Amino acid sequence: DAMVIQNPRYQVTQFGKPVTLSCSQTLNHNVMYWYQQKSSQAPKLLFHYYDKDFNNEADTPDNFQSRRPNTSFCFLDIRSPGLGDAAMYLCATSRDLVGGYEQYFGPGTRLTVT
Amino acid sequence: GNSVTQMEGPVTLSEEAFLTINCTYTATGYPSLFWYVQYPGEGLQLLLKATKADDKGSNKGFEATYRKETTSFHLEKGSVQVSDSAVYFCALPRQGGSEKLVFGKGMKLTVNP
Repeated sequence: DAMVIQNPRYQVTQFGKPVTLSCSQTLNHNVMYWYQQKSSQAPKLLFHYYDKDFNNEADTPDNFQSRRPNTSFCFLDIRSPGLGDAAMYLCATSRDLVGGYEQYFGPGTRLTVT
Repeated sequence: GNSVTQMEGPVTLSEEAFLTINCTYTATGYPSLFWYVQYPGEGLQLLLKATKADDKGSNKGFEATYRKETTSFHLEKGSVQVSDSAVYFCALPRQGGSEKLVFGKGMKLTVNP
């Protein structure tokens, strides 16, 4: 089945230690998104790629970076995690503009910062 | 940009009860509207969508009708099951044909046997 895969499902990192979360998709979608979701809240968009074009949200901290080396893979890098960065990180894809196309979400990576 | 207001909960129902989750929106034009569901410990899944006024989206016994007169997209199910326990999010494009979504705050539903 075509899908969005996130690894690992659970990640523990130390305060200030860089961490990378990965996302892959077999849907061949143009758009890939990274969201941060904290407990009992809606997902918050961090950034997205439309093909190779990177689009950062204005309020995304510089501590968060992303890479998309090819259509299938996208990475979220947190350069110096703080305790406030503990959250669920969701990757999503969309075939094209959301106007008519839904987003497909991965299962998420739950990040714990110790 | 567009915005959405959603009933927040949490809500607890007994199995076989009727469910309504209210969602109203403010938008320019007539964007597609979505309901997403998030089961415990998982990512979001599209539950249903409607792409134009008066469309009815339906899936897994859930329904929602795109009402432009009342700018609403309420989610309903006639008889909920324990397996419907989840968080439900109403969503629409942030603006125009945007590739970004704006989500409601989510409503946590617990269904007891």
